[in-house]
Amino acid sequence: QVQLQESGPGLVTPSQTLSLTCTVSGGSISSGSYYWSWIRQPAGKGLEWIGRILTSGSTNYDPSLKSRVTISLDTSKNQFSLKLSSVTAADTAVYYCARYYYYDGSILFDYWGQGTLVTVSS
Amino acid sequence: SSELTQDPAVSVALGQTVRITCQGDSLRSYSTSWYQQKPGQAPVLVIYGKNRPSGIPDRFSGSSSGNTASLTITGAQAEDEADYYCNSRDSSGNHLVFGGGTKLTVL
Repeated sequence: QVQLQESGPGLVTPSQTLSLTCTVSGGSISSGSYYWSWIRQPAGKGLEWIGRILTSGSTNYDPSLKSRVTISLDTSKNQFSLKLSSVTAADTAVYYCARYYYYDGSILFDYWGQGTLVTVSS
Repeated sequence: SSELTQDPAVSVALGQTVRITCQGDSLRSYSTSWYQQKPGQAPVLVIYGKNRPSGIPDRFSGSSSGNTASLTITGAQAEDEADYYCNSRDSSGNHLVFGGGTKLTVL
């Protein structure tokens, strides 16, 4: 059973960089045709896709965040990470890491982390 | 705002049928998945295209026509009360997008 677990600071100062890591257990991050992704959810609001990385290192980001986001992969540690620069209060949210793949044209997010709350405040 | 539009809230009487819709131009070209999210929990996949993952009750079904995808719950149960999100690609086809979510209340 694959499990994902987010980790990182719960409080970030405005204008600084938010850094989170997702540790994958129960399977290798390098195997299969999977996309490793970050999604966030402000309190009381909907889900927002941030971006994804493939095991090849290929990345794709939401256009509205692209200038501030970097997603990277560490296969030796079975982890992938998120960096979001120049944060403001609007970046306060629960951040989820998740795995997805395509099947018959559909997108399947099959495993999610439990989510971690990141608050941007001085 | 999202490229996928959902009604913010829908209600259904216990045991009745409810349809939750998702509209967007990209849905003419790309399949839609649906996620159920209960308070304090991560989302759970309930429908992808017209298919159900194993373990999801058969009262959940999906359909699509034109720019609208639908999630139908036939015989809604109290445990179905949750937020539901549609997910697909954006109009460029290069990025993923979620709908704004629909809060389902079972009366």
